[in-house]
Amino acid sequence: DGGITQSPKYLFRKEGQNVTLSCEQNLNHDAMYWYRQDPGQGLRLIYYSQIVNDFQKGDIAEGYSVSREKKESFPLTVTSAQKNPTAFYLCASTGGPPLGSGANVLTFGAGSRLTVL
Amino acid sequence: AQTVTQSQPEMSVQEAETVTLSCTYDTSENNYYLFWYKQPPSRQMILVIRQEAYKQQNATENRFSVNFQKAAKSFSLKISDSQLGDTAMYFCAFMGDTGTSGTYKYIFGTGTRLKVLA
Repeated sequence: DGGITQSPKYLFRKEGQNVTLSCEQNLNHDAMYWYRQDPGQGLRLIYYSQIVNDFQKGDIAEGYSVSREKKESFPLTVTSAQKNPTAFYLCASTGGPPLGSGANVLTFGAGSRLTVL
Repeated sequence: AQTVTQSQPEMSVQEAETVTLSCTYDTSENNYYLFWYKQPPSRQMILVIRQEAYKQQNATENRFSVNFQKAAKSFSLKISDSQLGDTAMYFCAFMGDTGTSGTYKYIFGTGTRLKVLA
């Protein structure tokens, strides 16, 4: 079955360490997104990528980095510069072209919970 | 910049009753999409319903329907015959053009936690 796989599901990090969250999709979707979810704040956009080798900062990109070397993969690195990284992270994708078609529904992975010790 | 506002942090409804969740948004665009997503305790995000801004007819999906008021920038979700499985966090989302050719963003509200009571 097609879908989005996020790993690991739970991750613990010591302060000062970088960690990478994996996001893989087999939906042949062009666009991929990373969101951070905190209680009472909904989903906030970290980074998004419309095509391979291109990505844009979202609203809260500071302290995060991404790459898009393959269409299927969009890993997120939480760097030591992120001051409050404990959160639930969601990866999503969509087929595009967005407007005027049925391909613009976001499909989500199951999420990754990052806790800083 | 586009914003999405959900003013009801928590709501509850008796099983089999009807409940309406509110959502307002702000945009200067004329062509966009609106969505309601459900996040049950498993935290898996699931699409509930979608509305195209250029369509005047309100979208419906079984027990779920929307009241889309484009001029008022309002997009409420009505759940009829509520079931225990409807207990979840519900997010309203807006999708529109970022202004850069070929790029689109999805903006989410802060969510409404719905509890269906037996």
